Amino acid sequence: QVTLKESGPVLVKPTETLTLTCTVSGFSLSNGRMGVSWIRQPPGKALEWLAHIFSNDEKSYSTSLWSSLSISKDTSKSQVFLTMTNLGPVDTATYYCARIVETGSAVLTTYFDYWGQGTPVTVSS
Amino acid sequence: SYQLTQPPSVSVSPGQTASISCSGDKLGDKFVSWYQQRPGQSPVLVIYQDNKRPGIPERFSGSNSGNTATLTISGTQAMDEAAYYCQAWDSSKVVFGGGTKLTVL
Repeated sequence: QVTLKESGPVLVKPTETLTLTCTVSGFSLSNGRMGVSWIRQPPGKALEWLAHIFSNDEKSYSTSLWSSLSISKDTSKSQVFLTMTNLGPVDTATYYCARIVETGSAVLTTYFDYWGQGTPVTVSS
Repeated sequence: SYQLTQPPSVSVSPGQTASISCSGDKLGDKFVSWYQQRPGQSPVLVIYQDNKRPGIPERFSGSNSGNTATLTISGTQAMDEAAYYCQAWDSSKVVFGGGTKLTVL
């Protein structure tokens, strides 16, 4: 059974750094054409992809947020981490981690087959 | 950067067919996935690689051609009322559409 669970602070002050942890079970972070992504959703708004890391340690970041994001993993602990620096009120959102699967041959694609329950983060002084 | 456009809302009567569009430049050359998100819940994958179902009801189907991908829900039920998001892969980055709120009247 595949599960993902996010954890981290609920309240963060402006300009501070946020570190979120995604703990996975039911699959390995070192095998296969899969990995973990972070996605966020401000209240009442759409999903926004932030970053992903694959089993081969390949990483990618949102074009608009790349300078403030860092993703890493600890395979032995089945954990993926997201660090976001210099937070502002616009970063208030529910943050999800999801398993990303890469598939295809001539045309590559990805999709998210399992999601965590999400963790709310409020940025306020 | 690549963009996907969805209508903000779609309405359908129970038992009828709902169609939700997702448009992007040469989207038919990419694969599209769809997610359902009920209020207060995490998104759920309903379609991947344009038209594959991951163990969800057969009334959900997908297509993708030209610049438009479409999620079709046949025999729409009240439980299908939710937000739906399309997603594609471009230049090693994930792109989501803005979401469509499906209302079952």
